[in-house]
Amino acid sequence: AQSVTQLDSHVSVSEGTPVLLRCNYSSSYSPSLFWYVQHPNKGLQLLLKYTSAATLVKGINGFEAEFKKSETSFHLTKPSAHMSDAAEYFCVVSDRYGNKLVFGAGTILRVKS
Amino acid sequence: EAGVVQSPRYKIIEKKQPVAFWCNPISGHNTLYWYRQNLGQGPELLIRYENEEAVDDSQLPKDRFSAERLKGVDSTLKIQPAELGDSAVYLCASSSPGPSGRYGEQFFGPGTRLTVL
Repeated sequence: AQSVTQLDSHVSVSEGTPVLLRCNYSSSYSPSLFWYVQHPNKGLQLLLKYTSAATLVKGINGFEAEFKKSETSFHLTKPSAHMSDAAEYFCVVSDRYGNKLVFGAGTILRVKS
Repeated sequence: EAGVVQSPRYKIIEKKQPVAFWCNPISGHNTLYWYRQNLGQGPELLIRYENEEAVDDSQLPKDRFSAERLKGVDSTLKIQPAELGDSAVYLCASSSPGPSGRYGEQFFGPGTRLTVL
């Protein structure tokens, strides 16, 4: 069975400073991992995905994540936060076929001006 | 390209009343998913369709929940009767086949926020 743990329920950063959203996963086989973002009253949007290729994955809007098997982590980072990044972020692991997504509880990112 | 469409966006009902949610997936996407997202939690899969066939409904509470996907396009999720604990956001997603037998990216609709009083 797969599971994900998002280590922070809320993260607050100032505009222009780095963002780090932490995620640990558990999987009985090589996982596929994703980060989704959810803006208020909008659908979930895929930011990036890892599917056993390069361990450093680049996504949209300047986000990236690094797959670390030894640490079972898949943390999301961005060098410089923008006000428009304020949203809820979900770390997700899927089964080996990619059709069953297991979501973390989410991290709410607040960006202060 | 139009995204996944869901209606209504919001619904408030009294407990024990029935309620239905509708989803129109992205054109050409043969896989359709219904998720439930409780407050402060991530979405959880309720049911997955391949065309008109429900291939994974293991998490669907079958005593009060039902779903259908006639003609393999639009889908309806129904709750009858609704309970207080059913208050949540109900999300629909769709995907097309991905590479090497895997499933492609899931695209999500905006959801229906249900409040049961």
